[in-house]
Amino acid sequence: GAGVSQTPSNKVTEKGKYVELRCDPISGHTALYWYRQSLGQGPEFLIYFQGTGAADDSGLPNDRFFAVRPEGSVSTLKIQRTERGDSAVYLCASSPHGGGTDGYTFGSGTRLTVV
Amino acid sequence: KQEVTQIPAALSVPEGENLVLNCSFTDSAIYNLQWFRQDPGKGLTSLLLIQSSQREQTSGRLNASLDKSSGRSTLYIAASQPGDSATYLCAVVGNAGNMLTFGGGTRLMVKP
Repeated sequence: GAGVSQTPSNKVTEKGKYVELRCDPISGHTALYWYRQSLGQGPEFLIYFQGTGAADDSGLPNDRFFAVRPEGSVSTLKIQRTERGDSAVYLCASSPHGGGTDGYTFGSGTRLTVV
Repeated sequence: KQEVTQIPAALSVPEGENLVLNCSFTDSAIYNLQWFRQDPGKGLTSLLLIQSSQREQTSGRLNASLDKSSGRSTLYIAASQPGDSATYLCAVVGNAGNMLTFGGGTRLMVKP
């Protein structure tokens, strides 16, 4: 596609529920990143995929968070037993090979609200 | 661990002013530095990317400089316009990693 697409754009869920957030990167981009942005703060790194594999998942806050990219294109961020503190905007970015020289293209994000 | 700080956190200026946004980072071993713009409720738009070997980059009314040894970057906006109102984020990619480390952003308001 022309850009990075994230769905849904907004998600409201009850505390304790399971949610999935989807990211469609730019076609052909091998690198995909997930970030989380709390209100008034800069984005924080969660996980980076190179192809199908998670090359760096050091930013995932705990084992309730998990992400997959089974075919090296679309990625899903999964959050189990959601907590109110998980409320944030979840941003996805992709890059042709890795952001070092190519830069990054970000999606518009999914705003997650846990009530 | 890399830390990125942006000063000021918020800035309000009248239209037409030239302004400077500041970014500092604690680990000078960076691969590149990038400035982004974020409008309310939107994703990030890349403005300028400076490789570690470069000193500055320019795009239109924007000029970004990089002093890697001192851990500083500035974003200069000339002749500001109300349409420049947004949050500006600075981020670095370290030599050891592939992800961006962001500052907290500067919220800019340009008043007509």
